[in-house]
Amino acid sequence: QKEVEQNSGPLSVPEGAIASLNCTYSDRGSQSFFWYRQYSGKSPELIMSIYSNGDKEDGRFTAQLNKASQYVSLLIRDSQPSDSATYLCAVRSNDYKLSFGAGTTVTVRA
Amino acid sequence: KAGVTQTPRYLIKTRGQQVTLSCSPISGHRSVSWYQQTPGQGLQFLFEYFSETQRNKGNFPGRFSGRQFSNSRSEMNVSTLELGDSALYLCASSFLDSRTFNEKLFFGSGTQLSVL
Repeated sequence: QKEVEQNSGPLSVPEGAIASLNCTYSDRGSQSFFWYRQYSGKSPELIMSIYSNGDKEDGRFTAQLNKASQYVSLLIRDSQPSDSATYLCAVRSNDYKLSFGAGTTVTVRA
Repeated sequence: KAGVTQTPRYLIKTRGQQVTLSCSPISGHRSVSWYQQTPGQGLQFLFEYFSETQRNKGNFPGRFSGRQFSNSRSEMNVSTLELGDSALYLCASSFLDSRTFNEKLFFGSGTQLSVL
């Protein structure tokens, strides 16, 4: 079982819609969770970090964490063409290793 | 503030050679980590250094090694290169925000290594 798994995508959404990205992790003791965005040919950049159960909102982005289900998600509201990118879920496990999911490629159709 | 700087940007080597990649973290950041990114395997953790000590290591063979200097700059070395080592190697520096206790990780632009 991979340490971090994401829905494989690709995900295509119309402009203005909500894009929903999911991620599960295997280490129940994990404490830190991150979402990164990576544009083609660029390096990943941090969008959101979340540490406790519940929702965390930042602009059009909402991260949701459910430690009991070992599940973290990212919602992108009012999706824009500039949101087209690969989104990487990252989890810092109990042994302090940062593991990344394979990524979900999102395309926002104008 | 300057970002994470990686050199060189591109590198072409042949099988059996060795290579050294360099990473300069953001000023004030003491943690540096290295990742390998390939289309098939995604982003995989190589190792992490904090204050010149290796804090963690991923599941890579001993051909992959690294070190960190007193100025926090880090180098990664790969010996006896194999075709499968062709990848984008990303370095990231991080710090813990003392106010929010949130961790922030910043990536460099990477070194694209091609092994022929």
